Amino acid sequence: DVKVTQSSRYLVKRTGEKVFLECVQDMDHENMFWYRQDPGLGLRLIYFSYDVKMKEKGDIPEGYSVSREKKERFSLILESASTNQTSMYLCASSLTYGYTFGSGTRLTVV
Amino acid sequence: SQQGEEDPQALSIQEGENATMNCSYKTSINNLQWYRQNSGRGLVHLILIRSNEREKHSGRLRVTLDTSKKSSSLLITASRAADTASYFCATETTSGTYKYIFGTGTRLKVLA
Repeated sequence: DVKVTQSSRYLVKRTGEKVFLECVQDMDHENMFWYRQDPGLGLRLIYFSYDVKMKEKGDIPEGYSVSREKKERFSLILESASTNQTSMYLCASSLTYGYTFGSGTRLTVV
Repeated sequence: SQQGEEDPQALSIQEGENATMNCSYKTSINNLQWYRQNSGRGLVHLILIRSNEREKHSGRLRVTLDTSKKSSSLLITASRAADTASYFCATETTSGTYKYIFGTGTRLKVLA
């Protein structure tokens, strides 16, 4: 079974901190995605990547950046965390269709 | 940008009943998928239906797609308490990008 592992289930950070959310998949998938999930808004795409060192902006990239130095790892970076970035963050990977999601990281920015 | 809208937003049924949830979308699609999310967890892929398909089955799941109405439905037959979850539709609008837009979800509660 494909596994997508997100490093933290719960995270509390302070406003202005630089935050790293890590995501690792173990099935050699080319495609990786970061979404955030908020009540009433569903899942919104932040960034995605089709290959190592490649990244593309999704629908809401402002305030975020990503890094993909290795195929299996896709990191989401909050450059300067703000309270409106409090959310559930979901990482997913895919070979073609059909995502495999991680368990999510619930981030609270205080 | 929000593509899919699920209806109803919430649904409560008795165990053994069928559950139907609907998804409407705005633009032409290449394919549509349904996912399940248990409380506070990641999403799990259930089924994919391509734009040239009208119906697809997987175990107790039946998905239909009507591209003329830009809508899809997910039917869960003989529901169980373990089916309690949120269900999302996701659409790929541009073929081959593998990039999906998710709806806001239907919260299903199955009462034992």
